[in-house]
Amino acid sequence: ILNVEQSPQSLHVQEGDSTNFTCSFPSSNFYALHWYRWETAKSPEALFVMTLNGDEKKKGRISATLNTKEGYSYLYIKGSQPEDSATYLCAFYAGNQFYFGTGTSLTVIP
Amino acid sequence: GAGVSQSPSNKVTEKGKDVELRCDPISGHTALYWYRQSLGQGLEFLIYFQGNSAPDKSGLPSDRFSAERTGGSVSTLTIQRTQQEDSAVYLCASSLAPGLSSYEQYFGPGTRLTVT
Repeated sequence: ILNVEQSPQSLHVQEGDSTNFTCSFPSSNFYALHWYRWETAKSPEALFVMTLNGDEKKKGRISATLNTKEGYSYLYIKGSQPEDSATYLCAFYAGNQFYFGTGTSLTVIP
Repeated sequence: GAGVSQSPSNKVTEKGKDVELRCDPISGHTALYWYRQSLGQGLEFLIYFQGNSAPDKSGLPSDRFSAERTGGSVSTLTIQRTQQEDSAVYLCASSLAPGLSSYEQYFGPGTRLTVT
């Protein structure tokens, strides 16, 4: 079983703050790293699919970076809004299956 | 278009009974995955179907769990003789191309299973 870790486990920020969290994964046998956003009572929704070392992806106020050599990815949210409140999951794809982290639960306080 | 659907959305069952959970993937998606999330845990891989190939069952926690996918579309996850530790949210996901890492998974809304 591959170990995918996310930190912090939970985070409370004020509206307007910028924040970031980390996904750590094995640096060997890397195929892809996915980020998903999971709002309460909804299905997880894909944010980014990252495949190359040094990848940077951006969608609105959310961006992500990837370092496959050291085995980590950062997710950044600029100017957090209450609607950003969700659990953010990363998933490491090792060529056979996806290994999910336990997620970072973000609460944005208005 | 239609997304991944799962049924039932909630299921309460007595310990020892069998349950069947259904997943309808997005039309044209050849890869289908089952996961579960137990309370306080991350998403746990259960089984993966890829086209007509034999499924990857490496994540099934015991022989009480089985799954099938008929006609390359609908999938059913069956849990026999349910135990309380089977209580979890069971999620199904599908993707466009089997095994291609660049294709994101589309998740269904999940089935919340409670074993009393």
